[in-house]
Amino acid sequence: KAGVTQTPRYLIKTRGQQVTLSCSPISGHRSVSWYQQTPGQGLQFLFEYFSETQRNKGNFPGRFSGRQFSNSRSEMNVSTLELGDSALYLCASTYTGTGLGYTFGSGTRLTVV
Amino acid sequence: EDQVTQSPEALRLQEGESSSLNCSYTVSGLRGLFWYRQDPGKGPEFLFTLYSAGEEKEKERLKATLTKKESFLHITAPKPEDSATYLCAVNFGNEKLTFGTGTRLTIIP
Repeated sequence: KAGVTQTPRYLIKTRGQQVTLSCSPISGHRSVSWYQQTPGQGLQFLFEYFSETQRNKGNFPGRFSGRQFSNSRSEMNVSTLELGDSALYLCASTYTGTGLGYTFGSGTRLTVV
Repeated sequence: EDQVTQSPEALRLQEGESSSLNCSYTVSGLRGLFWYRQDPGKGPEFLFTLYSAGEEKEKERLKATLTKKESFLHITAPKPEDSATYLCAVNFGNEKLTFGTGTRLTIIP
């Protein structure tokens, strides 16, 4: 059974650019969440999607956005990148959509220079 | 605000030396507590889910327990391959997990 797949694995971007990260959940999972992980803040919740609807959003600026497609695949976008956006971005999926039993992908390492 | 606190931040043990990691949380409608293991450069790997006080789960050298205010991850006779960061996360009744900052465990051969 394939796990959660995130692409790309690594990205280097320049300040001011925008970036799109992709996440393919485990087959049958309808809920996808995104987290940002940094050494200083740990894992911080970005947002959660279920059946193409955003149900919850963390305390991040509007530059961070996401969406989910009908096949449950999800993308997150960060516009006008700042140096502080450098982090490991993790996607997690679950079948039940109740915040329980999330399986994480390996993440996308974003470096902003 | 719902919070999760893990201690210690880092722990170095000799191979075979048992110990426990702690995860405490604000008491406000816990719907589930999760333990994950994370290796450098990888995503968190699921270990256990605990739902109610008194519950215990075991897997190889690891045992997780839950009380009304905290959880412990007991590591018995650890091996070097147990070295990793152990993360605790809590679902407080919404669609997100609130994570602690983790305990970085190093097992010395």
